[in-house]
Amino acid sequence: GESVGLHLPTLSVQEGDNSIINCAYSNSASDYFIWYKQESGKGPQFIIDIRSNMDKRQGQRVTVLLNKTVKHLSLQIAATQPGDSAVYFCAEPPGGAGNNRKLIWGLGTSLAVNP
Amino acid sequence: NAGVMQNPRHLVRRRGQEARLRCSPMKGHSHVYWYRQLPEEGLKFMVYLQKENIIDESGMPKERFSAEFPKEGPSILRIQQVVRGDSAAYFCASSSGQAQPQHFGDGTRLSIL
Repeated sequence: GESVGLHLPTLSVQEGDNSIINCAYSNSASDYFIWYKQESGKGPQFIIDIRSNMDKRQGQRVTVLLNKTVKHLSLQIAATQPGDSAVYFCAEPPGGAGNNRKLIWGLGTSLAVNP
Repeated sequence: NAGVMQNPRHLVRRRGQEARLRCSPMKGHSHVYWYRQLPEEGLKFMVYLQKENIIDESGMPKERFSAEFPKEGPSILRIQQVVRGDSAAYFCASSSGQAQPQHFGDGTRLSIL
């Protein structure tokens, strides 16, 4: 399944499938992006980050892709599990990677994993 | 290694009362950030503090809201004369430096009657 981020804030997938969550940004000078996961009633949890000198970064079961040409990034979750159900946010510091003093957050995408 | 601790988890106040929200950063972190979140929205930056100093308060309302991070003790977000519109979840994050990832607490949910 695939989300188009701001225009489709809910994504429903079957357990075991791969999930793709999208995020668009507007500032071509943005050089650092972070994905957070927020479970119900909890604070955001850092998942993975990427700097603009990279196109791809992999973590455990997650991959972030950055396309600077179209100002778009995506979070891919492999073999989605029920514990992945949460709202996923992309965030960026407007001051760049070296100035993380505040984060600007996207709207968020709610991921629901069906058993 | 305890994470960011916020208390209380839930706070109910009547209009006109004061609300005090506390945040203890992760051990070794001297940078604290406060954010506000309305239901089904992303977080909105309010204020960034280092020990005893407010570095950036560009997201905090000029009236009724204040924040501090004393040399000893937790960071405090204070809201005076609360109104219904202050109802929200308030999250605190901490980091070891400006270029380091922010780690979040589980928030204080403020309800105004």
